[in-house]
Amino acid sequence: EVQLLASGGGLVQPGGSLRLSCAASGITFSAYTMNWVRQAPGKGLEWVSSISGPGGTTYYADSVAGRFTISRDNSKNTLFLQLNNLRAEDTAVYYCAKDSARRAIDYWGQGTLVTVSP
Amino acid sequence: DIQMTQSPSSLSASVGDRVTITCRASQSISSYLNWYQQKPGKAPKLLIYAASSLQSGVPSRFSGSGSGTDFILTISSLQPEDFVTYYCQQSYSTRYTFGQGTKLEIK
Repeated sequence: EVQLLASGGGLVQPGGSLRLSCAASGITFSAYTMNWVRQAPGKGLEWVSSISGPGGTTYYADSVAGRFTISRDNSKNTLFLQLNNLRAEDTAVYYCAKDSARRAIDYWGQGTLVTVSP
Repeated sequence: DIQMTQSPSSLSASVGDRVTITCRASQSISSYLNWYQQKPGKAPKLLIYAASSLQSGVPSRFSGSGSGTDFILTISSLQPEDFVTYYCQQSYSTRYTFGQGTKLEIK
């Protein structure tokens, strides 16, 4: 059974930093592109970032480029998202999510809530 | 970035109805279009990938069609558990984008 367990969310002040983690099990982790997708309270889904299986290629949404960094440790089956210079508009549930071989997101974690507030 | 526009934003229907949700891309995305269902407080669930392929375990009342810029999600006979929110998503670009969502409500 595929499981993606996200953690690391919490309350942080504007300008602060946070590191999210996502532990994967039930898959050959290094074989798949992984994503972070977020959802602000009461809003729709926003793709944030993705990283290739080996970790050498990364992509970011314009809204987070230069502030967020995606990475992975394939030896520990873990995905990360470093969030720096946080803003109020970054408040959201952050989901880690696995790409399928057909470039659709076929598995999602349970989400971790990041709240940016003074 | 490729913009995805869903319509309608909300839709009222009854159990047993057939409904369609439309998704339009700002440029051609071939068949790189996926549909997701999201229940309140839960992570999204993949329904349809590559525009028309049904994800394993998804009921056959869900179907997808389209290519290029215009896509449709059809639910052939609404069940009570289907009254939730649906999103389209393009994966033609490496920078994925989602539609704004369609909330299905009971009439």
